[in-house]
Amino acid sequence: EVQLVESGGGLVKPGGSLRLSCAASGFTFSTSTMNWVRRAPGKGLEWVSSITGGGSYIYYADSVKGRFTISRDNAKNSLYLQMSSLTAEDTAVYYCARSDSSSSPCDYWGQGTLVTVSS
Amino acid sequence: EIVLTQSPGTLSLSPGERATLSCRASQTFSSSYLAWYQQKPGQAPRLLIYGASSRATGIPDRFSGSGSGTDFTLTISRLEPEDFAVYYCQQYGSSPRTFGQGTKVEIK
Repeated sequence: EVQLVESGGGLVKPGGSLRLSCAASGFTFSTSTMNWVRRAPGKGLEWVSSITGGGSYIYYADSVKGRFTISRDNAKNSLYLQMSSLTAEDTAVYYCARSDSSSSPCDYWGQGTLVTVSS
Repeated sequence: EIVLTQSPGTLSLSPGERATLSCRASQTFSSSYLAWYQQKPGQAPRLLIYGASSRATGIPDRFSGSGSGTDFTLTISRLEPEDFAVYYCQQYGSSPRTFGQGTKVEIK
């Protein structure tokens, strides 16, 4: 059974940093493209970032470029999102999602972790 | 960046009725890279349709997708109580992998 479990969310002050993690199991992690997608309160889904299986190709939404860093540890079947210079607009539930390849949809999703940026 | 615009914003229907949701792109792209997702409150999104018209594993056949170019449609032939949710289209062929803003299907 495919499982994606996010952790690391919480309350952080504006300008602060946070690192999200996603523990994966039930599929071949090292060959899967992994994604972060968020949903802000009262808004729709927003794609944040993707990383290919070997980590060679990384993509970011303009809204987070230069502030967020996606990474993965294939030995630990884990995905990460390092977030810095956080603003209130980054408040959202962050989902980890798997794609079969960089040109495939997100077929499995975690339950999400809430990030709240507030003073 | 490909902008996806979904319409209507809200669809008020009764169980048993047919739902037709639209997703229009700001530029032409291959239908191979268009997906539809369903999201219910407090739950993660669920992949329904990929490649514009292929149903994902375990998705009932009352869900169907169609379209090409810039115009795509998700049809739910007969709404079941569990189908009332928010639906998103997404293009995943180029970065950024943009989503539409969503269509809420609510009980009339």
